Amino acid sequence: AQSVAQPEDQVNVAEGNPLTVKCTYSVSGNPYLFWYVQYPNRGLQFLLKYITGDNLVKGSYGFEAEFNKSQTSFHLKKPSALVSDSALYFCAVRDTNAGKSTFGDGTTLTVKP
Amino acid sequence: KAGVTQTPRYLIKTRGQQVTLSCSPISGHRSVSWYQQTPGQGLQFLFEYFSETQRNKGNFPGRFSGRQFSNSRSEMNVSTLELGDSALYLCASSPPGTANTEAFFGQGTRLTVV
Repeated sequence: AQSVAQPEDQVNVAEGNPLTVKCTYSVSGNPYLFWYVQYPNRGLQFLLKYITGDNLVKGSYGFEAEFNKSQTSFHLKKPSALVSDSALYFCAVRDTNAGKSTFGDGTTLTVKP
Repeated sequence: KAGVTQTPRYLIKTRGQQVTLSCSPISGHRSVSWYQQTPGQGLQFLFEYFSETQRNKGNFPGRFSGRQFSNSRSEMNVSTLELGDSALYLCASSPPGTANTEAFFGQGTRLTVV
């Protein structure tokens, strides 16, 4: 069975500071990893994904994520946070052989001016 | 290209009633997945349909059912509603063929059971 853990329910950072939202995963095969963002009363929007290749993946709105196979992690990062980045962030994993995605419980990011 | 469309956006139902939610995927997408989102339980997978067949199913009681039509539109039905069914129900569609593609989500249907 595949699983995703987002160990922090809440992350608070000041505007302009770097941010990290953590994600660890467990799959039986090779993972496909995704980050999504959700704004209030909206669906999830895709940010970035890791399929294969470079461990550092760049995505939308200046976000990036680093895949670490030995630590089974896929942390989301941004060098300089904006107040508009405040939202709920979900990490998801899909086994290359599986059809469905498994999502983490989400991390609420609050960026204060 | 139009996005994933879910209707209705909001619903209020009484305990014991049944409800049907609709999802129209992006044109050309044949995979449709449904999720339940609640503050306490996060995002829970309900089921996935591909070419009118249920391909995966989550751990929900039989009161939750779905189907997919030949045009890839999908419906989800919940019978004998319970207060705990109050949630945001999200539908997501994906392009055919590969597991490495991201999902495209609709804005969701907010169901309130009173």
